[in-house]
Amino acid sequence: NAGVTQTPKFQVLKTGQSMTLQCAQDMNHEYMSWYRQDPGMGLRLIHYSVGAGITDQGEVPNGYNVSRSTTEDFPLRLLSAAPSQTSVYFCASSPAGERYNSPLHFGNGTRLTVT
Amino acid sequence: GEDVEQSLFLSVREGDSSVINCTYTDSSSTYLYWYKQEPGAGLQLLTYIFSNMDMKQDQRLTVLLNKKDKHLSLRIADTQTGDSAIYFCAESVRGGADGLTFGKGTHLIIQP
Repeated sequence: NAGVTQTPKFQVLKTGQSMTLQCAQDMNHEYMSWYRQDPGMGLRLIHYSVGAGITDQGEVPNGYNVSRSTTEDFPLRLLSAAPSQTSVYFCASSPAGERYNSPLHFGNGTRLTVT
Repeated sequence: GEDVEQSLFLSVREGDSSVINCTYTDSSSTYLYWYKQEPGAGLQLLTYIFSNMDMKQDQRLTVLLNKKDKHLSLRIADTQTGDSAIYFCAESVRGGADGLTFGKGTHLIIQP
């Protein structure tokens, strides 16, 4: 049981390039979300999804797009990378319902550097 | 808006108890969590508490919730070198549905 898998683990981009961070989960979780983690800033929510075909913006959505065509996958797209997007990105998933004892499952992160 | 505050660093001696504190502002918070992050890894759930509870104990971990003061604490008894990590407090209203609001994390440093 792989849980939440993020690829790639590391990525270096030049300013203006685009790329997609992949996230896949095999737990049949309805809820998925993307966070970025910056030093001294904790984790901030970028986008989230409560099910296939449904996405919504989090706290810091600018510069990122998401889609949720299947339950398993929730890719995060950077349209035109900027140095301010240098960060560690975490994908998370959780089952639906008011199940506080089954909270977020995190991937191991993608470390992105934009030069 | 919602805000979760934590101290950035805590240093304790091995074998002592560690107490990590957190305050939050959203009075409608229903779920409160503690996550642990080791270097280079994702976040791992340590424990959680529902807002109608005021204490929860799980082996070496004790969570105290003061809902009136919006204060949450995590006590780690008999702190070991393996407890060295960043500890994040997080809150939500709907569980994982619309994401969690995290604090900035407390670096727990263990002195021999």
